[in-house]
Amino acid sequence: NAGVTQTPKFRVLKTGQSMTLLCAQDMNHEYMYWYRQDPGMGLRLIHYSVGEGTTAKGEVPDGYNVSRLKKQNFLLGLESAAPSQTSVYFCASSYPLVNGGNNQPQHFGDGTRLSIL
Amino acid sequence: KNQVEQSPQSLIILEGKNCTLQCNYTVSPFSNLRWYKQDTGRGPVSLTIMTFSENTKSNGRYTATLDADTKQSSLHITASQLSDSASYICVGGGLILTGGGNKLTFGTGTQLKVEL
Repeated sequence: NAGVTQTPKFRVLKTGQSMTLLCAQDMNHEYMYWYRQDPGMGLRLIHYSVGEGTTAKGEVPDGYNVSRLKKQNFLLGLESAAPSQTSVYFCASSYPLVNGGNNQPQHFGDGTRLSIL
Repeated sequence: KNQVEQSPQSLIILEGKNCTLQCNYTVSPFSNLRWYKQDTGRGPVSLTIMTFSENTKSNGRYTATLDADTKQSSLHITASQLSDSASYICVGGGLILTGGGNKLTFGTGTQLKVEL
């Protein structure tokens, strides 16, 4: 039972390069999220998706794009990497709201550690 | 601005001892309070989720409490084990994101080390 799988686990980029981070989940979750975790700060939401083919901005979306072409996959792209995007990126997924409740836990992958020189 | 503050920042205890981690939150509108455990180099793992109407919730040796009036939560760990060494993150669940889902405000975590 893999849960949420992120690839790659580590990557070093030069400023201006582009790359795509892949997130795959096997729990049939509707919702998927991308976060970044920086030292001394809590996780911050970059983008999220509430279903296949839909995406929306979180609180820190600038410099990132996302796509959700398949329900199980959520891609995070950096078109022109900047040193400020050095961070640990976490993908998460969850079931949708049930009966108006919102107590669904988010299941996280183990992160992609990205350094931009 | 929504905020979640945790104390202490770090804590060292001996194996077998109990400990309590604190969380103060300012999340509006408030929906739920979550605790996650994050091992070094791993992603966060959910421990408990409490709605505003719940006062306590347990998960094995972990017991979370919530006081929605004072906007405080605590996580109590009983009979600590070496494997409890991790960062414990308090998370406030707030308004619903566009299209669904729950906007979460994450604290910076309490780093717990359990020693022999």
